[in-house]
Amino acid sequence: EAGVAQSPRYKIIEKRQSVAFWCNPISGHATLYWYQQILGQGPKLLIQFQNNGVVDDSQLPKDRFSAERLKGVDSTLKIQPAKLEDSAVYLCASSLDLLAGWDEQFFGPGTRLTVL
Amino acid sequence: GDSVTQMEGPVTLSEEAFLTINCTYTATGYPSLFWYVQYPGEGLQLLLKATKADDKGSNKGFEATYRKETTSFHLEKGSVQVSDSAVYFCALSEGYGGATNKLIFGTGTLLAVQP
Repeated sequence: EAGVAQSPRYKIIEKRQSVAFWCNPISGHATLYWYQQILGQGPKLLIQFQNNGVVDDSQLPKDRFSAERLKGVDSTLKIQPAKLEDSAVYLCASSLDLLAGWDEQFFGPGTRLTVL
Repeated sequence: GDSVTQMEGPVTLSEEAFLTINCTYTATGYPSLFWYVQYPGEGLQLLLKATKADDKGSNKGFEATYRKETTSFHLEKGSVQVSDSAVYFCALSEGYGGATNKLIFGTGTLLAVQP
């Protein structure tokens, strides 16, 4: 079974530029998560989708970050404009269906963003 | 809010040594607890979990017991191998099913095992 796919794997931009990350979850997984992992810290949840609806975006900096999952499958996370402190690894994860009880989150390889 | 604290690394051990990585948590409810592992160049993988007090999670020779009285979930392995070299993250989930399955992670502990 294919895992969670993310692209690009690496991205370098200058501050104030825009950037977008793409995630394709495991087939059939209803729940999708975006985490931000700053160097030396553990991952922090930015946003969680159940199908195409947002379950939790309480830690998403909405003035510059946006995310969508229009058809309940792929998702895109955008930063506009980027700041130096956005340099991090952005992880996408998916799970079968959180409403069905606990289910394991499967993580993609991440996108490493460097903002200069 | 809920949080996880784990010992800082790096932890450097010789092959076949005993491993302990400490993890303590703060939570208002009854969280589920997890250990995730990140091997070099790979994504996070679930290593083991425990969903209630006194549960023991185990996998690949690693064990951790959910201790509610000490709010701890320490990771142990009796004999480490070079292939165990990775970053280990302790995490909790505020919800077990229901409205959210959000994971709260510790800062990670780098384990380096030397031959």
